[in-house]
Amino acid sequence: KAGVTQTPRYLIKTRGQQVTLSCSPISGHRSVSWYQQTPGQGLQFLFEYFSETQRNKGNFPGRFSGRQFSNSRSEMNVSTLELGDSALYLCASSLASSKNIQYFGAGTRLSVL
Amino acid sequence: DQQVKQNSPSLSVQEGRISILNCDYTNSMFDYFLWYKKYPAEGPTFLISISSIKDKNEDGRFTVFLNKSAKHLSLHIVPSQPGDSAVYFCAASVSETSGSRLTFGEGTQLTVNP
Repeated sequence: KAGVTQTPRYLIKTRGQQVTLSCSPISGHRSVSWYQQTPGQGLQFLFEYFSETQRNKGNFPGRFSGRQFSNSRSEMNVSTLELGDSALYLCASSLASSKNIQYFGAGTRLSVL
Repeated sequence: DQQVKQNSPSLSVQEGRISILNCDYTNSMFDYFLWYKKYPAEGPTFLISISSIKDKNEDGRFTVFLNKSAKHLSLHIVPSQPGDSAVYFCAASVSETSGSRLTFGEGTQLTVNP
């Protein structure tokens, strides 16, 4: 069974640009969550999608958005990039309920110059 | 407000000995706890979990202990192996209200020396 796939693995952008990251969950998993990992803040929850609906949202500005498609694939978008958005963005998928284990992808490393 | 804390940024142990990683939490609503390990350039890998209705869960070399009154959990690895060297994260969730949202600690770098 294929794991969680994130594309691209690495990305370099400049301030003010926007970026879209993609995540394909494990087959059969309907919940997709996104996390940001930085050296100073650790792993922080961005949002979770389930059946194409945002079920939960973390404390990030509105520049961070996401969506989920009918096949459970998810994208997250960051508009008007800032230097502080440089981070590892991780996607995780789980079956459905809150007590299901989340399985993570390898992440997308975003560098904002 | 750091609701999940791992106070030891690093831990070094000898191969074959026990590794004990600790985690404290402040939110009494947390009812499900997980441990993940992470190698560089990879995503976190699930290790073991425990529900708040239990105080211990064991899986092979890994055992997680939960002390609800102290709001403390620990991961024991016995015996430790060099391949266990990684960053270990504890995570917690409130299953009724937060869906799959996990709150993570800052991580502990475990080094197992041959």
